[in-house]
Amino acid sequence: DTGVSQNPRHKITKRGQNVTFRCDPISEHNRLYWYRQTLGQGPEFLTYFQNEAQLEKSRLLSDRFSAERPKGSFSTLEIQRTEQGDSAMYLCASSLVSGKLFFGSGTQLSVL
Amino acid sequence: DAKTTQPPSMDCAEGRAANLPCNHSTISGNEYVYWYRQIHSQGPQYIIHGLKNNETNEMASLIITEDRKSSTLILPHATLRDTAVYYCIVREGPDRVGGTYKYIFGTGTRLKVLA
Repeated sequence: DTGVSQNPRHKITKRGQNVTFRCDPISEHNRLYWYRQTLGQGPEFLTYFQNEAQLEKSRLLSDRFSAERPKGSFSTLEIQRTEQGDSAMYLCASSLVSGKLFFGSGTQLSVL
Repeated sequence: DAKTTQPPSMDCAEGRAANLPCNHSTISGNEYVYWYRQIHSQGPQYIIHGLKNNETNEMASLIITEDRKSSTLILPHATLRDTAVYYCIVREGPDRVGGTYKYIFGTGTRLKVLA
């Protein structure tokens, strides 16, 4: 399967713990996006990478959130000191320069 | 905020055409209309997009009105597997050098295909 891959699919953590998610985009795609989706809502943009450069961040991305794409390939999204309000589906997408987004299946985070 | 409005839900009989409307009255001249769908527990899946002209692919047809203020996604022969949330999105252009196109999702239309 050469689509966007996200790991883990599910993560349960206790409030205050740190979590990290990984996204492997489609190999030739230089653009990578993170979105967050809560129940009953559409996905909300969090951040965007072009190659290894993080070029845009939403105001939704608090200072507890950090994303990296060290070699312009895979990306990680870390949440420090998780809160119950962080419970959501975290979606990764990739694209070519101005093309359509291809989404992964997401990581479902539950903060207890 | 999303530039689109869609009905929250629709039903369609299996084998019939599903016509999903979308209003985007504030769309700008160079902004594309994109449609995605999301089946439960999966990421959104691209369906089709267009600027001015009607478009058709193996999944669906997209009809855009002449004034571009609304569009309709048509699934010609809906199946049970088409049950999903359908998102109509106006792709907004970069607002600065180095920025990206913005795909701003609304709450979509929940389509239920009935046997």
